[in-house]
Amino acid sequence: QQQVKQSPQSLIVQKGGISIINCAYENTAFDYFPWYQQFPGKGPALLIAIRPDVSEKKEGRFTISFNKSAKQFSLHIMDSQPGDSATYFCAASHTGNQFYFGTGTSLTVIP
Amino acid sequence: DAGVTQSPTHLIKTRGQHVTLRCSPISGHKSVSWYQQVLGQGPQFIFQYYEKEERGRGNFPDRFSARQFPNYSSELNVNALLLGDSALYLCASSGHGQMNTEAFFGQGTRLTVV
Repeated sequence: QQQVKQSPQSLIVQKGGISIINCAYENTAFDYFPWYQQFPGKGPALLIAIRPDVSEKKEGRFTISFNKSAKQFSLHIMDSQPGDSATYFCAASHTGNQFYFGTGTSLTVIP
Repeated sequence: DAGVTQSPTHLIKTRGQHVTLRCSPISGHKSVSWYQQVLGQGPQFIFQYYEKEERGRGNFPDRFSARQFPNYSSELNVNALLLGDSALYLCASSGHGQMNTEAFFGQGTRLTVV
């Protein structure tokens, strides 16, 4: 059973455009929702995270939108750059215990 | 500050063999978790250790075991290797309490079973 569902599987965006990746979860006990960025051959790097008591969090060009009632959250990458080309994973956890990851989104930003 | 370090970075083993993977967490972090990432998929939780005690176990067979040492480093052991164990094994460390949620990953150990 996939605890966190992520879409799309792949995404191609023009340089300067907005990249949007969506995730949905089922377990209402989840209280921490991070996004990770992973380059080939590297481990996932924490990008930004949100807790369900806020609906939006912004850090630089990266924004998480959170909809508690719909049990959905999304990552928005503004002014996408070729260097943002990577695989992005959403995840969810309860009190910092095991993380449940989405299946990943391969983002390609075209110059 | 050094991040999470894992060794070795790459490893090739034969079916039926045993493997030990090692992880050193970020200084001051007391929680270490292990994940398996098969190519093209998200990481899957294997174990979590906090203060040298197992605090969580994922849906993996008993061939997988782990431990955490007094200095908070950790080992993941896999016995009787199968071809399907080929994956990137990731270690993550978390901060100053079990409930601290930010998890930082190492670069992983790429295990290939032939």
